[in-house]
Amino acid sequence: NAGVTQTPKFQVLKTGQSMTLQCAQDMNHEYMSWYRQDPGMGLRLIHYSVGAGITDQGEVPNGYNVSRSTTEDFPLRLLSAAPSQTSVYFCASRGPDTQYFGPGTRLTVL
Amino acid sequence: DQQVKQNSPSLSVQEGRISILNCDYTNSMFDYFLWYKKYPAEGPTFLISISSIKDKNEDGRFTVFLNKSAKHLSLHIVPSQPGDSAVYFCAADKGGSEKLVFGKGTKLTVNP
Repeated sequence: NAGVTQTPKFQVLKTGQSMTLQCAQDMNHEYMSWYRQDPGMGLRLIHYSVGAGITDQGEVPNGYNVSRSTTEDFPLRLLSAAPSQTSVYFCASRGPDTQYFGPGTRLTVL
Repeated sequence: DQQVKQNSPSLSVQEGRISILNCDYTNSMFDYFLWYKKYPAEGPTFLISISSIKDKNEDGRFTVFLNKSAKHLSLHIVPSQPGDSAVYFCAADKGGSEKLVFGKGTKLTVNP
C-alpha cells in the first residue's frame, strides 16, 4: 500500500513549455485533489475530482487542466508554463476521515 | 477573503513545555476541522481533527479545542518535543463538501 505517489519530485521548465504532473493512489478513494503551496500562502486548491470522469475547479485553477479517467490516477497538466506557477504541488486523496497527501513536486519555471 | 486564519507565522517553545497553536475561521458553515503537520520536503500528514458537535478532542500529547461561538480552535501539544518542530496547518470543511480550506500555517520550533 503506497498511499499517494507523485512524479516527478523535481522539475525545471522554461516559460511556455507544457508538462504533466502525475499522481496515483492505491486506496480506492473517490475524491482526489491538487494543491499548490507557496511561501506565506498555505495550501491552495487548484482542481479536484469526486470520481472518475468528474472534475471541478478549486480556488486557483487558471493555467491548469485535469482529467480523471480512472479512480487511481489524477494528472495535472500545465499547458503553457509561467514563472507564476513556480511552486510546490501536492496531490491528495480523501478517505473517510482525512486527506492523504503525496510527497510533492517542486516545480520551477524559468 | 481568507476563511481560515493562522495569525502567528511562527512559534518557538522549550522542550517539555506546552505548545499552543491557534486558528480562527470566518465561515459559520464549517463543521469539521483538521490539523496537519508538515516537515520540509514532505507532504502534509494528518494529525488530529474535531467535529463541530464537540469542543475537545484528544490524542496522546495532542488536544484540539473548538470554540464555535468565537470561531476559534487551538492545538495543544504537551509536552512538546524537538521532533514536533514542523509547520502546522489548520484546515476546515463544510457539510461534506470535501473541499478543505487551509490556513497559511504556523512554523513551530521546539528547542532542546
